[in-house]
Amino acid sequence: AQSVTQLGSHVSVSEGALVLLRCNYSSSVPPYLFWYVQYPNQGLQLLLKYTTGATLVKGINGFEAEFKKSETSFHLTKPSAHMSDAAEYFCAVRRGGSQGNLIFGKGTKLSVKP
Amino acid sequence: DSGVTQTPKHLITATGQRVTLRCSPRSGDLSVYWYQQSLDQGLQFLIQYYNGEERAKGNILERFSAQQFPDLHSELNLSSLELGDSALYFCASSRDIYNEQFFGPGTRLTVL
Repeated sequence: AQSVTQLGSHVSVSEGALVLLRCNYSSSVPPYLFWYVQYPNQGLQLLLKYTTGATLVKGINGFEAEFKKSETSFHLTKPSAHMSDAAEYFCAVRRGGSQGNLIFGKGTKLSVKP
Repeated sequence: DSGVTQTPKHLITATGQRVTLRCSPRSGDLSVYWYQQSLDQGLQFLIQYYNGEERAKGNILERFSAQQFPDLHSELNLSSLELGDSALYFCASSRDIYNEQFFGPGTRLTVL
């Protein structure tokens, strides 16, 4: 069975500070991993994805994530937070086999202080 | 704009009623997924269709059903509604089961 754990339901950073959102996964098959962002009253927008190949993945809005198999982690980072980054972030793993649905973590709400 | 459309945006109804949520996938996408987002359960997968056929089921109640039509749009039917069914319902689509999913804006269902 696959699962995702996001450490920290709420993270607060100052504008310009490093953003680090943690995600650990469990998967019996090589994982496909995703980060989505949800702004208030909106749907989910794909930030970045890892399927195979390069373990450092760059996404939109300056975010990146590194797949570390030995640590079963896929943490999301951004060097310098902007006020517009305030949102909820979800890590997800794709179910393997012939199914393609996503299994989501519980989400981390990011607050950015001026 | 993801290219996935959902109607209606908001739905307010009473317990015991039945509602239908509609989703139009991105052009060319064959796979449609339905997810439920609530405060206590988070984002939960409900059901998946691929090119008109049911492919996978998640935590979908027996009171809920869905289908995907020949034009690939999908409908989620919720019946005998209970207060606990109040949630955001998202539809997502993808080219096939291996590609990333694009989410619609959601339908917010409130059951009074």
